Amino acid sequence: QVQLVQSGAEVKKPGASVKVSCKASGYTFTSYYMHWVRQAPGQGLEWMGIVNPRGGTTRYAQKFQGRVTMTRDTSTSTVYMELSSLRSEDTAVYYCARGGSSSWGPIDYWGQGTLVTVSS
Amino acid sequence: EIVLTQSPGTLSLSPGERATLSCRASQSVSSSSLAWYQQKPGQAPRLLIYDTSSRATGISDRFSGSGSGTDFTLTISRLEPEDFAVYYCQQYGSSPALFGQGTKLEIK
Repeated sequence: QVQLVQSGAEVKKPGASVKVSCKASGYTFTSYYMHWVRQAPGQGLEWMGIVNPRGGTTRYAQKFQGRVTMTRDTSTSTVYMELSSLRSEDTAVYYCARGGSSSWGPIDYWGQGTLVTVSS
Repeated sequence: EIVLTQSPGTLSLSPGERATLSCRASQSVSSSSLAWYQQKPGQAPRLLIYDTSSRATGISDRFSGSGSGTDFTLTISRLEPEDFAVYYCQQYGSSPALFGQGTKLEIK
């Protein structure tokens, strides 16, 4: 069965960086896009960007351009999302989520989420 | 970018009633690439509808999607207690693949 297992919760200080991992199993890793979505406490879903595990190409939401880097390791079927220059507004649950095979979406499987807390 | 606006923000209904949720796009959504998700507190979202009107695996036929262009609708025909949650639409036909702000469906 498809599983996306994310790394554990993180507490970071403002200005620091965080790197969240997402290990995929139960399907051919390189055949499906992977989205990253975040959700601040009590707020809605925010799309951050997408990575194509086959070639590693990425597309980021303009809001995060210059601060986010999404990568993948095909040898371990893992995708990573690194967000730099953290501020308090980045406190959120971060999800990896599997997209489509021939196009970006829809999102059919989600990771369990990783809580990132930014606090001095 | 395509901005999605969901209405109403909150919908108060009773079990057994019919729910109609709206998602309006600022531009035409490419290839009907619109999905609906359900999210309950403390859980990741769950895919309900994709490509405007196709039900995801295991989703009850009480859920249906319709629409085209810029106007889309999620209908829940007879509300069950487990349907009360927050619902999001998302377009995935162009970048960025934004979500709507959500509609909270609450028990009246």
